[in-house]
Amino acid sequence: QKEVEQNSGPLSVPEGAIASLNCTYSDRGSQSFFWYRQYSGKSPELIMSIYSNGDKEDGRFTAQLNKASQYVSLLIRDSQPSDSATYLCAVSGDMRFGAGTRLTVKP
Amino acid sequence: NAGVTQTPKFQVLKTGQSMTLQCAQDMNHNSMYWYRQDPGMGLRLIYYSASEGTTDKGEVPNGYNVSRLNKREFSLRLESAAPSQTSVYFCASSEFGGAGAFFGQGTRLTVV
Repeated sequence: QKEVEQNSGPLSVPEGAIASLNCTYSDRGSQSFFWYRQYSGKSPELIMSIYSNGDKEDGRFTAQLNKASQYVSLLIRDSQPSDSATYLCAVSGDMRFGAGTRLTVKP
Repeated sequence: NAGVTQTPKFQVLKTGQSMTLQCAQDMNHNSMYWYRQDPGMGLRLIYYSASEGTTDKGEVPNGYNVSRLNKREFSLRLESAAPSQTSVYFCASSEFGGAGAFFGQGTRLTVV
């Protein structure tokens, strides 16, 4: 059974802080990893993809992948109230998701 | 620029009724997925289609069937709806199996 697990949260950070979201996966053969953001009542939106070990930065978002330890993380720098959402980790090839971590950024 | 379109957006069924959820994408993607989302449980994969002509079971396939009608369309059928199938259903597509997916707006299904 392929598993994708995320820290359960909820996570609350003050505006301007760094939010750190973590995800572990069980299938060592996985090659592609994704972070999605889901606002309440909306559909998930792809925000980051990462395929190789190391860091990938896109604006305020940094995804980190460590295949040896089977974890992937998402850092959100200078967190804004508009970042308040549920963040979902997904692992390919059959695109399985973790349960999500709810993030609240307090002004 | 529609992306992934699901119909209907809302549906109420009686226990034992059947229905088909429709999904179409206009991005020429090869892979398509059906998920259900229940409170506190994230997205659970029901079925997926890696390419036209293929379908595979996901984590929670029982009570559902799918049809990959062509490259654009991937439908999900409930043959005999049960209250446990009350959920929000999302269809998604990706260029290929290892690429990020794009989601439709969801179908909120209630079975009474």
